[in-house]
Amino acid sequence: DSGVTQTPKHLITATGQRVTLRCSPRSGDLSVYWYQQSLDQGLQFLIQYYNGEERAKGNILERFSAQQFPDLHSELNLSSLELGDSALYFCASSAQGGQGSYEQYFGPGTRLTVT
Amino acid sequence: GDSVTQMEGPVTLSEEAFLTINCTYTATGYPSLFWYVQYPGEGLQLLLKATKADDKGSNKGFEATYRKETTSFHLEKGSVQVSDSAVYFCALRNTGGFKTIFGAGTRLFVKA
Repeated sequence: DSGVTQTPKHLITATGQRVTLRCSPRSGDLSVYWYQQSLDQGLQFLIQYYNGEERAKGNILERFSAQQFPDLHSELNLSSLELGDSALYFCASSAQGGQGSYEQYFGPGTRLTVT
Repeated sequence: GDSVTQMEGPVTLSEEAFLTINCTYTATGYPSLFWYVQYPGEGLQLLLKATKADDKGSNKGFEATYRKETTSFHLEKGSVQVSDSAVYFCALRNTGGFKTIFGAGTRLFVKA
């Protein structure tokens, strides 16, 4: 158990809909990362927050947005869903958020299926 | 930009065989290098890491040496077990950067 929790575990929805994925980082970790894992694209970095502020952006679509709240939990919002958005979405957290050899701790993931 | 290239899988081995999973990287400066492992149905876990040239990371019988001259960080294990079946990801984080760049992952199957 990494200490990172994600809800829900599974989500099935229709094209065009909007969903929210939730992540609670490990106690004391200030940094939260979101990744998308699909069979054809591998593990893609989406976005990072550090203590409530956006720190880095990866291959995140404009239909997707995220935020980190004062209690440090984070939400990833996916809208106008398409079939190609079906994937595993991972959240990770770390104590630090910049350069260095620190470890990221990954949650168990949310499996999103768009039908 | 920075990138990580891993050998394509799947890799299928018999129990007690020797394992090598190749990883090479492209980066400016002196990145930190990582191997993460993903067991079926779980998130990624850090397996080992190395922070400078010639460093050797090791954990659970796995080893990888940071080779700057060949820009490589190959993962090795002398004798694999069925329980090592998983997907292995090589990754780097560059100095001054906030992103961790992951390779595509290599799936390992170990047969009894």
